[in-house]
Amino acid sequence: DAGVTQSPTHLIKTRGQQVTLRCSPISGHKSVSWYQQVLGQGPQFIFQYYEKEERGRGNFPDRFSARQFPNYSSELNVNALLLGDSALYLCASSLGVGGDGYTFGSGTRLTVV
Amino acid sequence: DAKTTQPPSMDCAEGRAANLPCNHSTISGNEYVYWYRQIHSQGPQYIIHGLKNNETNEMASLIITEDRKSSTLILPHATLRDTAVYYCIVRFHGSGNTGKLIFGQGTTLQVKP
Repeated sequence: DAGVTQSPTHLIKTRGQQVTLRCSPISGHKSVSWYQQVLGQGPQFIFQYYEKEERGRGNFPDRFSARQFPNYSSELNVNALLLGDSALYLCASSLGVGGDGYTFGSGTRLTVV
Repeated sequence: DAKTTQPPSMDCAEGRAANLPCNHSTISGNEYVYWYRQIHSQGPQYIIHGLKNNETNEMASLIITEDRKSSTLILPHATLRDTAVYYCIVRFHGSGNTGKLIFGQGTTLQVKP
């Protein structure tokens, strides 16, 4: 069974551009969470979606947005990219909102130049 | 902010037990202790979790003190593949739980031959 898949694996963008990152959860998982991990730091929570509704949001500016589709896949959008947005973006899926079994993908490495 | 404190780094000899400590002195009654690890360039991997009783699975054991203010993750026979950053996380279980994981800096465990 496939794990959590994220695309693309690597991405280079220029300051001011917009980026869309994609995540496909494990089959049967209805919740998707997004995390940002800056080099040398632990992951920071950005969003959680469950059944296509936002269920949690971290301390990130409005430039960050996300959505979840009927098939439970998700997209994370970041507008007006800043150099500080360079990070590993991780997606995690689980059966429910408070599920114990969070499974993370390998992430998308975003570099903003 | 993370509610846990961990040493930044530890070494362990291959084949020996690795004991990773974590302080969570402000843990509340509804909060569980979770452990994840992150091997370089991968997403975090769930290891184990517990409330107040000691727990064991195929990967590790979790020892929680009686007052629940600290815990220890034990890898009984560390291998080189266990070299990773280990995160101790306290997480609320209950109504309104968003499932957000708050990662700290973690402990970098280096297993040496």
